[in-house]
Order: sequence, then structure tokens, then C-alpha cells
Amino acid sequence: DIQMTQSPSSLSASVGDRVTITCRASQSISNYLNWYQQKPGKAPKVLIYAASSLQSGVPSRFSGSGSGTDFTLTISSLQPEDFATYSCQQSYTTPWTFGQGTKVEIK
Amino acid sequence: QVQLQESGPGLVKPSETLSLTCSVSGGSISRYHWSWIRQPPGKGLEWIGYIYYSGSTKYNPSLKSRVTISLDSSKNQFSLKLTSVTAADTAVYYCARGIYCGADCYSILLDHWGQGTLVTVSS
Repeated sequence: DIQMTQSPSSLSASVGDRVTITCRASQSISNYLNWYQQKPGKAPKVLIYAASSLQSGVPSRFSGSGSGTDFTLTISSLQPEDFATYSCQQSYTTPWTFGQGTKVEIK
Repeated sequence: QVQLQESGPGLVKPSETLSLTCSVSGGSISRYHWSWIRQPPGKGLEWIGYIYYSGSTKYNPSLKSRVTISLDSSKNQFSLKLTSVTAADTAVYYCARGIYCGADCYSILLDHWGQGTLVTVSS
């Protein structure tokens, strides 16, 4: 299985901050990498697909980059509704695997 | 707008079979990949498997011997069966639709999810 490792596991940030979350794959996955946002008690919502493409309806403050084994999710200016858990997921090969999640909390 | 809704028992006894159904509305099930994902309380997401609209399936090897995913196009539903459950199978179970990211793009994203249903394994 391809292991997906996110860092950090959690972070505290203030409204307006720039936030970066990283995701590393245990082997190359090209750009087969998606990012999801999950709020407590809710289903995940896709933000970024194919490493850097913004899903329709997602605010442009979210962006993704990377290829191969190293990827980043950036929130350019954190908003109150962005406090949530973010997970990466590879669809390069089955079993599809997720990172352990990064919880973004209010500072 | 496509909507997915999980249904099934919220409590299953150890060693029995967990059975869930996902009903799809607002779109046809006769396309795309249809997945089950679970999330134990306080933990991360685990992909269980998917069924393609053609009927082909892929399962997580960690569960493969216990999992069956099936499709009923006439009802626009797909289902999950997980046999011989233990407390470790206690989780919120989600169904989700997987689509290719675009023409000539073979990455698959999970773009629509059900709200999730908590299944507890306990006697």
C-alpha cells in the first residue's frame, strides 16, 4: 500500500494567516492527489484534485501544488469557516489511501 | 444535484454481517466509481472499496476477504456487506461517488458523499 504522511498533525492559526499543509507519499503517485476538508460530524468535501486543480465552487484562497511524492495545500488567508481537518488522498493505485489528517484550530 | 444517502442498522453484533445501502438521487448510477469509506471515531479515513458501473470491483486488501460491494441499477443503489465484524469495525461509514478529473485525466476524485452513518459493533 502507498502510505500518505501529512504534517503537521495539527496547527493553530489566526484568521488571515497563510497556512501550508504538506503530504508525502511513500512512492511516486504523479499528480494523483486530492485534498479534502472535513468539519466535525460532516462528510469530507473535495477541495483540490489532481494535485493542483481547484474543485468547482471552492474559494480561490485554497491552492495545491506538487508532483511525485511531495504535495502541499495552501490557504492564502485563513477564514473562520476554514477551521476543520484536511486530508490528502492518493488515487494512483488501489487501495486508495488517505493521510492521517491535519486539524486546523483557532489560535 | 447528486445526493447520496446511506441506510442500514446502526448496531451489529460481533461475528455478524454489516449491511449498508447507498441510495443515489439526482443522477444515474450507471456511470462512475461508487465507493465505501469508513472512519473510526476520532481517526482517519479508510477506503473500503469501489464498484464501477460496469460491475467490476476493487477492495482494500486489509478487508478483502470480508467485503462485498454490489450494484442495483434498477434501484439506483449500491450496497456494502462486511462479514464477521468485530469492535474494530465500529465506524462512520460513508458512500461516495468517484469521477475522473476530466477528459484525458485519469485521477479519480470523490466528489459527492453521503452524510455518513455510524455503525457500532457490540453485543
